[in-house]
Amino acid sequence: GAVVSQHPSWVICKSGTSVKIECRSLDFQATTMFWYRQFPKQSLMLMATSNEGSKATYEQGVEKDKFLINHASLTLSTLTVTSAHPEDSSFYICSAEGQSNQPQHFGDGTRLSIL
Amino acid sequence: QKEVEQNSGPLSVPEGAIASLNCTYSDRVSQSFFWYRQYSGKSPELIMSIYSNGDKEDGRFTAQLNKASQYVSLLIRDSQPSDSATYLCAVNGNNDMRFGAGTRLTVKP
Repeated sequence: GAVVSQHPSWVICKSGTSVKIECRSLDFQATTMFWYRQFPKQSLMLMATSNEGSKATYEQGVEKDKFLINHASLTLSTLTVTSAHPEDSSFYICSAEGQSNQPQHFGDGTRLSIL
Repeated sequence: QKEVEQNSGPLSVPEGAIASLNCTYSDRVSQSFFWYRQYSGKSPELIMSIYSNGDKEDGRFTAQLNKASQYVSLLIRDSQPSDSATYLCAVNGNNDMRFGAGTRLTVKP
């Protein structure tokens, strides 16, 4: 149980392109979903927290106009990296939480490379 | 002061030994505690959850929690090279989960 699906796994695109990443909880309803970014050999960095039907809460330093998050249902959240540039190249990982105080379950991550 | 602290390592143990990973946290109202394993280039994978003081065993893994000392640990018995990964400690209190930076474990054959 507690499977989180994240797509796509890999994205390679040109600078200036917008990229959408989907995160789905397959067998549970996710009250809260989280988006992380991880650079090579560095720690997970929380970017934002989203609850179904409400605006995402962004961590300090994360541009909400650049990283658009939509959490339209209890099983789907999307992250759109708008006008991506090479410095946005990273490993983006989503996670979902069913109930408070329960663990977060992670998707497989999306490796984004901007040329 | 970091909210969840782990020794970054690397921690190196020989195959078959016990690996001991430690984590301290600052928020006394924390209620749930988790250990995740992250292989290089992959996303974290939940391996243990613990909610009350004491030990919890699952196969070769034992999680230990001491809320009075604000300390949680993970023991890996009979360590295997496949256990080589980064281990993340996560602490949840007031619906706010915080991750440690992780300890990199290397198990040498």
